[in-house]
Amino acid sequence: QSALTQPASESGSPGQSITISCTGTSSDVGTYNYVSWYQQHPGKAPRLIIYDVSNRPSGVSNRFSGSKSGNTASLTISGLQAEDEADYYCCSYAVSRVLFGGGTKLTVL
Amino acid sequence: EVQLVQSGAEVKKPGESLKISCKGSGYTFSRYWIAWVRQMPGKGLEWMGIIYPGDSETRYGPSFQGQVTVSADKSTSTAYLQWSSLRASDTAIYYCARGWLDIQPGGFFGHWGQGTQVTVSS
Repeated sequence: QSALTQPASESGSPGQSITISCTGTSSDVGTYNYVSWYQQHPGKAPRLIIYDVSNRPSGVSNRFSGSKSGNTASLTISGLQAEDEADYYCCSYAVSRVLFGGGTKLTVL
Repeated sequence: EVQLVQSGAEVKKPGESLKISCKGSGYTFSRYWIAWVRQMPGKGLEWMGIIYPGDSETRYGPSFQGQVTVSADKSTSTAYLQWSSLRASDTAIYYCARGWLDIQPGGFFGHWGQGTQVTVSS
C-alpha cells in the first residue's frame, strides 16, 4: 500500500507558524485516531511529538499541535524556532499495518 | 526509564545472513508491541513489521513479507530482525521502536532505539 502523502518540504521564518499536512484514506487516517507525528534531526533517531492525533508527550513543547479532518491529519508548529528545522513524519495505524508518510523537510529561514 | 538498545553497525557481503537485535528495559517487555523501521540513505521511514513478544504474533509490511524475519525472546527482553540472504539494497539504518500496550488495538511509537547501520557491499 502507498505511504501517507506529505509535502516534501515546507519553510518559514522564525516566529511564524507552519502546517504540515498528511493525507491518507478512509482505511487509515480517516477511520483511526491513531495518527502520530515524529521529528527527526540529521543523524538522530525519530522522536515522538504528537500521538493519537492531537496529544503531546511529556516534554514536547506546546508549540506543536495536531489535528485531523476526514482523511487528512495536520501538524502545526507555532512560533518557529531554529531548532525546529528537521524532518517530520506522520504515521497512521490501520488494521494489521502501519503507514508512514514520506516525510517533510522543514527549513527555518 | 524506558530504553531500547540496538546492536552495533554491520558490514556484510551480498548473500550473507544477518540478525540484529534490540534489547528493551525499564518496562514489561512482553506486553508492548515492538516494530522495526527501515530508513534507506537519504530517504524516509518505512514500517517493516511488528511483533508482540507475549506470544510472538507478528505482522509484516507488504514490501517486507518474506524478505525478513522478525522475532522476539521475552526471556531476555530482546527483539530481532534477520535476513537469510542480504542484498545491496538492504543497506540502511534500521530502528526498533516500542509500540502500544497489548490492551490497546493500536497506537504510536513512543520510544526508539538508536538505530543499527547495515551496509551490504561486495
